Amino acid sequence: ETGVTQTPRHLVMGMTNKKSLKCEQHLGHNAMYWYKQSAKKPLELMFVYSLEERVENNSVPSRFSPECPNSSHLFLHLHTLQPEDSALYLCASSQEWSAVQYFGPGTRLLVL
Amino acid sequence: AQTVTQSQPEMSVQEAETVTLSCTYDTSENNYYLFWYKQPPSRQMILVIRQEAYKQQNATENRFSVNFQKAAKSFSLKISDSQLGDTAMYFCAFMKLGNYGGSQGNLIFGKGTKLSVKP
Repeated sequence: ETGVTQTPRHLVMGMTNKKSLKCEQHLGHNAMYWYKQSAKKPLELMFVYSLEERVENNSVPSRFSPECPNSSHLFLHLHTLQPEDSALYLCASSQEWSAVQYFGPGTRLLVL
Repeated sequence: AQTVTQSQPEMSVQEAETVTLSCTYDTSENNYYLFWYKQPPSRQMILVIRQEAYKQQNATENRFSVNFQKAAKSFSLKISDSQLGDTAMYFCAFMKLGNYGGSQGNLIFGKGTKLSVKP
């Protein structure tokens, strides 16, 4: 595997379910990001991890819980989501000094 | 707060012709990066081109070039010799630099322009 991978690619869940999104980067980067991409809205940065420590949390509801166990892996734990949380969730990584972020293919989430 | 505006929700161009996508941004920062990202249908976002604000020379990557007007806060993307594979959403993005030159990771995106290249 090369680049940034995300699993699952598609996810349908009920509002009472708990699920997790996984992101893995194979680029040797030390910063990772979660973005939300909704229809007709700009991409929204949700969380930033640098050297496995969270450095940004853009007022994201607590039903989204990130986890970064090491510099290669990033998770987004989901619980009691709302239908408006349906979106494409993108993971990205960067070598912090480079500023260029490399994106994964995304997880298309549908909350029923 | 920084904002990025892409005023063209959709555009189309004939294959082999040239098209320009517009982007304006608002910031009080002096040190920042600007980007164009491309997101093909059902495929992942990839970087097209990057511009450092301190550089006066416009960035170029093969058929892709930018017109960076810092005073006007304008950052347009020109695609020459358009190809069918250029069909995608194009996003303009802004990132400010940290105090010591390192990035802070906060990419601010525009809403995107959907470009269709017609045969």
